Amino acid sequence: AQSVTQLGSHVSVSEGALVLLRCNYSSSVPPYLFWYVQYPNQGLQLLLKYTSAATLVKGINGFEAEFKKSETSFHLTKPSAHMSDAAEYFCAVTQGTGAQKLVFGQGTRLTINP
Amino acid sequence: GAGVSQSPRYKVAKRGQDVALRCDPISGHVSLFWYQQALGQGPEFLTYFQNEAQLDKSGLPSDRFFAERPEGSVSTLKIQRTQQEDSAVYLCASSLGEGYQETQYFGPGTRLLVL
Repeated sequence: AQSVTQLGSHVSVSEGALVLLRCNYSSSVPPYLFWYVQYPNQGLQLLLKYTSAATLVKGINGFEAEFKKSETSFHLTKPSAHMSDAAEYFCAVTQGTGAQKLVFGQGTRLTINP
Repeated sequence: GAGVSQSPRYKVAKRGQDVALRCDPISGHVSLFWYQQALGQGPEFLTYFQNEAQLDKSGLPSDRFFAERPEGSVSTLKIQRTQQEDSAVYLCASSLGEGYQETQYFGPGTRLLVL
């Protein structure tokens, strides 16, 4: 069964600094990987997804993530943090067999300091 | 166009009451999912519909939980004899097709508090 681990339940960066949110996955078959963002009292919004095309995936709001099979990682980055990036971020995986359900990590809360 | 909508947005129930949570997916979306999100946790899968067929209900925590999508559009998640441990945000998501790479679009959720 697949699983996702997000290292760091809270990450705090200064405005303008690099954002790095870590995600490692476990899957017995090639995975499809997703990053979602959740603002307070809202549903989840897709930032980007990896579906076995390019390993470097660009998403909305300046975010990108790189799929590294050798490290079983899919870390999310943004070169320069903005105050509006403060939110909860979830990494999720599906695999190409069995159920289509998303398996989520526990989330990382990103705080931006002025 | 309209996104996924859910109602009610907030529900307070006394322990033992039955509740019904509604999800209106994006029009034309074949797949519909329910997830449960406990406070401070990531969402956890409950059940999956492809049109009106419930293809996976492996995440439903007990037989008190029941979901339906009779006409392949609107879905209802019903919880009978609610317990305090049922308190959570219930998220509905829909996707256009059936593929594993399909984007799931989420509604705002229903926050259920069982007293």
